[in-house]
Parts: sequence; C-alpha cells; structure tokens
Amino acid sequence: QVQLQESGPGLVKPSETLSLTCTVSASSINTPYHWGWIRQPPGKGLQWLGIIYHSGSASYNPSLQSRVSMSIDSSKNQFSLKLTSVTAADTAIYYCARENDYDSFGYVHWGQGTLVTVAS
Amino acid sequence: QSALTQPPSVSGSPGQSVTISCTGTSSDIAFYNRVSWYQQPPGTAPKLLIFEVTNRPSGVSDRFSASKSGNTASLTISGLQAEDEADYYCSSYTTSSSLVFGGGTRLTVL
Repeated sequence: QVQLQESGPGLVKPSETLSLTCTVSASSINTPYHWGWIRQPPGKGLQWLGIIYHSGSASYNPSLQSRVSMSIDSSKNQFSLKLTSVTAADTAIYYCARENDYDSFGYVHWGQGTLVTVAS
Repeated sequence: QSALTQPPSVSGSPGQSVTISCTGTSSDIAFYNRVSWYQQPPGTAPKLLIFEVTNRPSGVSDRFSASKSGNTASLTISGLQAEDEADYYCSSYTTSSSLVFGGGTRLTVL
C-alpha cells in the first residue's frame, strides 16, 4: 500500500526557511496524480498549502503564494516543501498526501504528519 | 479565500443519524464537483471518507454518505457508533485553482 513519510527539522527559527521532504513508497511519484502538502496548527483546522505534479508543475495556496515553493525528485521518489520567512503562525503539523483519483483533490494517502515549531 | 463554513459541533446517540453541513460559495462548492469529506480522530492524520461529492473510497463504510445542493454540501452518518466520534472536515476545489477546507465539526456520540 502507498506510504508517505515526512521528514525535516522539528524546530525552525523565526524569519528562516522551513524545509520538509516527503518520501513515497509503494507508488511511483511519476504518476498522473498530484502530490500535496496540508498543515494543521495545534488544535486548529486543516489548511491546504499546495500541490505538485510529476512534471514539476505546481499550484499554491494564494495566501501563501509569495512564501511557498514545492519541488519533486523523481530519482528519489520524493517531493519537498519550502516555506520562507516563517513566523510563529507557521507552527503546525505538516502532512504530505496523495489524491485518490486524478485531480479529484480527495486525499486518500497521508503521511503521519510532522510537527514543526517556529521559535527562537 | 475564505474557509468553508461548518457547524463547530454536532451530536447524536448511537444508532441515530447525523448530518454535517458545509457551506461555500459560487466559486467553490457550487462551481465544482470536487468536494471531499474527512474524518480525523484525535492525534491521527485525516481519513478520506468521500471524494467528488458522493464517492466513497474502497474500504469506507456505506454508513457515510454525502450530497451537494447549490453551494452547500452535506455529510450524513447513519447508524451512529461510538467510533465515529471525531472531527470532520469538508474541502472543495475553487476557481482560484486552490483547495479550501471547512473549519471542522466535532462529532460527539452521546
């Protein structure tokens, strides 16, 4: 079964860049599906950050457009998230996910999530 | 983009049915059939219950059903069980080429 695993620093200083990687197993990243990032501040709701396709084409949350970027590494079956100029408001559990069907935007496969805390 | 509107909480007794609403706009729910619903017990990743308005992924109980009318989507859970107690989220694709989630609904099984 498809598995996703987030990895990266659990603590990032304010104004620095948050970088996370999602490693995919039991599914090639070179598929028509898109790969997404979603976050959840502690005790709050879900926020979609954006998606990336195997072609490298990406689409981002308009509210984060200026700070977010995503990339894909087919050779490692991984995709990554970068969020610049972080503040305490970016403290959240970050999930990577894959949709159930092509461009359905229904995410059936999720990583376990990784908590990233922004603090000095 | 504004979050979709869900009631903060709903409750029901075992065996009953409950419905959770999700209200959007003409730019999201009303425009696209890309509405999904998720279940999230505490401390776990969300689980996809419904995609593309009414479709259940393999393995999801048929006690979960959903529909859409205009700019409002609804999730119905029938035959309520204690294990259904969780947070529920809706989401919809938007005309801004992005995805928006609802604020979440806490379901309490009495």
